[in-house]
Amino acid sequence: NAGVTQTPKFQVLKTGQSMTLQCAQDMNHNSMYWYRQDPGMGLRLIYYSASEGTTDKGEVPNGYNVSRLNKREFSLRLESAAPSQTSVYFCASSAQGLKSYNEQFFGPGTRLTVL
Amino acid sequence: QKEVEQDPGPLSVPEGAIVSLNCTYSNSAFQYFMWYRQYSRKGPELLMYTYSSGNKEDGRFTAQVDKSSKYISLFIRDSQPSDSATYLCAICHDYKLSFGAGTTVTVRA
Repeated sequence: NAGVTQTPKFQVLKTGQSMTLQCAQDMNHNSMYWYRQDPGMGLRLIYYSASEGTTDKGEVPNGYNVSRLNKREFSLRLESAAPSQTSVYFCASSAQGLKSYNEQFFGPGTRLTVL
Repeated sequence: QKEVEQDPGPLSVPEGAIVSLNCTYSNSAFQYFMWYRQYSRKGPELLMYTYSSGNKEDGRFTAQVDKSSKYISLFIRDSQPSDSATYLCAICHDYKLSFGAGTTVTVRA
């Protein structure tokens, strides 16, 4: 039982390049989330998927797109990377509907640097 | 105004000290209050949650909520070097979490 996995662990991009961050969970969770974490800013929600087939914007969606490929997988795409997108990206999942406090389980993170 | 404000720290304490971490929140409709712990270069993991005013204990950890003041706290008793981590408060509303910025705690042996 791997929990939430993310690939890649590290990535360096040049401004304008595109890439996709992959996330998968094996806990049969309904909901999945993408956050970014910056010093002094905490975790900020980029996009989330409450259930398979739905996605919604979070607090900081500009410059990103997501795809809920199936119940297990939720990807985050940067179409044209900018230095402001240098951050640590975390994927999370939760059962939702089973526990009201919505415990979220996080992956190990992807460290992205945009030059 | 951010929905959740957290004392930024960092905190450095000697082993055995009591660690006190605090957050304030703005929306009185929030119902569930959580503390996540994040070790260096790892993802956050849930440490404790509570939904009512008062105290909740789990071993050396106590979570405290004061809904009238919109104030939440986490206390760590008899702190250990293994408690060195960043602690994030989080509020759950509409199944989404709003996080504080986190406080980095170092417990010196």
